[in-house]
Amino acid sequence: AQSVAQPEDQVNVAEGNPLTVKCTYSVSGNPYLFWYVQYPNRGLQFLLKYITGDNLVKGSYGFEAEFNKSQTSFHLKKPSALVSDSALYFCAVRGPGSSNFNKFYFGSGTKLNVKP
Amino acid sequence: DADVTQTPRNRITKTGKRIMLECSQTKGHDRMYWYRQDPGLGLQLIYYSFDVKDINKGEISDGYSVSRQAQAKFSLSLESAIPNQTALYFCATSDRTGSYNEQFFGPGTRLTVL
Repeated sequence: AQSVAQPEDQVNVAEGNPLTVKCTYSVSGNPYLFWYVQYPNRGLQFLLKYITGDNLVKGSYGFEAEFNKSQTSFHLKKPSALVSDSALYFCAVRGPGSSNFNKFYFGSGTKLNVKP
Repeated sequence: DADVTQTPRNRITKTGKRIMLECSQTKGHDRMYWYRQDPGLGLQLIYYSFDVKDINKGEISDGYSVSRQAQAKFSLSLESAIPNQTALYFCATSDRTGSYNEQFFGPGTRLTVL
């Protein structure tokens, strides 16, 4: 069965410091991994995805994520946090296999607080 | 995402009432989805549709029904609302070309059932 875990409900970081939002996954087969961000009163917005290739994936707003197969992790990172990065972040994994259905399994979300 | 719109944005209703949430998209995508979001639980898939003639149940379809009126429209109905259906509901779309494409979400509908 496919699943995603976000072990931290909340992450606090000072503006200008690096940030990491953690995600681990469990899939059968190759993982297809995604990060989304949700700002207050808004829908989820796509940040980045890992399908294959380079383990370091770059996405929107200066975010990047590192795929680590041995640790089954896909942590979201940013070198220098901004107050405007404060939001709810979701990790998701797409079901594998030859099915044409791209069902997503979402983590429970991590609230990122960036303080001035 | 402005390309995916949901109406209403907020709705308060009473137990037993029938409610319809509507979703429209201008992205030209074939695939549409309905999710509900509860605090601490992430998103759960209610129904999904690959095209107008294809409707499928998701993880938590009990108590819900859907209608795909056109490629661009996908409605979610609660035939007889109950308090534990109080949640944030999201519509999403994706392109059929490529199984790894991301989904695009609407702004959400906050539903409260009293």
